[in-house]
Amino acid sequence: DTGVSQNPRHKITKRGQNVTFRCDPISEHNRLYWYRQTLGQGPEFLTYFQNEAQLEKSRLLSDRFSAERPKGSFSTLEIQRTEQGDSAMYLCASTTFRHNEQFFGPGTRLTVL
Amino acid sequence: GQQLNQSPQSMFIQEGEDVSMNCTSSSIFNTWLWYKQDPGEGPVLLIALYKAGELTSNGRLTAQFGITRKDSFLNISASIPSDVGIYFCAGNAGGTSYGKLTFGQGTILTVHP
Repeated sequence: DTGVSQNPRHKITKRGQNVTFRCDPISEHNRLYWYRQTLGQGPEFLTYFQNEAQLEKSRLLSDRFSAERPKGSFSTLEIQRTEQGDSAMYLCASTTFRHNEQFFGPGTRLTVL
Repeated sequence: GQQLNQSPQSMFIQEGEDVSMNCTSSSIFNTWLWYKQDPGEGPVLLIALYKAGELTSNGRLTAQFGITRKDSFLNISASIPSDVGIYFCAGNAGGTSYGKLTFGQGTILTVHP
């Protein structure tokens, strides 16, 4: 399988708990993006990695959110002290340096109770 | 966050009919992309456009990059039931945007057999 994979696909958690999501991009892609999508809306940019460097973060990414891509391959997105407003689909996408065609994973659906 | 203005918001059509949807922005984009998203899944890339005035086809789908670089259009000919889903336009402004995409709100397409 050469597509973008994300785990878990679904996560239900209680308010105040920490959650971590993983994204495995297409193997030769050095650019990795995280987006958040709420019901009835298009995805919104959260953060961007080029190899292991996090080069941009959206203002949507509060200090409770942290993302890493330690070896320039897979990436993790952690949300600390989750709030009900964090409930959304979290999408990961990857591409190569020379292209803007981003390929998305299936997403992680987060529900905060 | 900033989003593109995508219209119509929804369409209900009969199988075999043609479909048109468009996306406009107040800003110039260097790349326009069209995605299709099924419920509970990530967006799937349909067509990528890189030059103003460019017209690109992918099977029954045809998309155009507007001359002003502030709009794009997607047409689906001879719709079939599997065309059902949400269609998103996305644009990339280039430069220091690091390839991040700005999405429209989506067009929900329903096809009646």
